[in-house]
Amino acid sequence: DGGITQSPKYLFRKEGQNVTLSCEQNLNHDAMYWYRQDPGQGLRLIYYSQIVNDFQKGDIAEGYSVSREKKESFPLTVTSAQKNPTAFYLCASRHLAQTQETQYFGPGTRLLVL
Amino acid sequence: SQQGEEDPQALSIQEGENATMNCSYKTSINNLQWYRQNSGRGLVHLILIRSNEREKHSGRLRVTLDTSKKSSSLLITASRAADTASYFCATDATGTASKLTFGTGTRLQVTL
Repeated sequence: DGGITQSPKYLFRKEGQNVTLSCEQNLNHDAMYWYRQDPGQGLRLIYYSQIVNDFQKGDIAEGYSVSREKKESFPLTVTSAQKNPTAFYLCASRHLAQTQETQYFGPGTRLLVL
Repeated sequence: SQQGEEDPQALSIQEGENATMNCSYKTSINNLQWYRQNSGRGLVHLILIRSNEREKHSGRLRVTLDTSKKSSSLLITASRAADTASYFCATDATGTASKLTFGTGTRLQVTL
C-alpha cells in the first residue's frame, strides 16, 4: 500500500517537554511538508524539505525543528519554546516534477497539552 | 500568512442542490488547487487548475479561475450528504518553490 503515514494519532505534551511527531511516506516523493491547523482555520506551513539533508522554514517555524535524514521520513519536533502547541498537525508530500503539483496528506496528529 | 480567503465560511444546503464556494488570492500563481477535508482527517486533493486555464471539470466538480480578478470558484453539482466536509483552496504562487498557501476554508453541510 502506497501512502503517507503519521504517528501517533494523539499526542500529549507536558509543560517544558519536547515531543516528536513522525511522518513517513513510501511514494518516492521528493518534497515533504509540515502544516499546523488550528480549529476552524486553514493550514499554515511550518517547515518543508525538497531534498534529503535540506529543509526550509515556513511561515510559523518558531518553536519547531525538523530533520530529513532519509527521503522517506520527515519528523517534526515541537520544542518547549512553542508556547501554544495545541493543534492538528498535518504532513504532506509531493513529487517536484512541474506536472505533479498535487500534495498528498497523512491522516494527522492531534497534539494536546496536559 | 494565508493567501486565500474563502467565501462563504459556512454553507448549508439540501441534498441534490448545487454548492458554490469562492476563493480570492493576492499574488501571481502557477496553479490553484482545491482540497477537501473530512472532520479530523487529512486533506484530499480534488482538482487543479493552471494559470492559463479558465475552467476545468472533474465528475460533479467544476472549477473556474479568473486571474485578472485573482479569484476562483468551486461548484459541486447535485450535492450528496457524503459531500459534507471542509473545502480549501490552495495557491502555488510564482517563485515559491513548490509551496502551497491555503485559504481559510468553507464548511459545507449537506442535509438529507
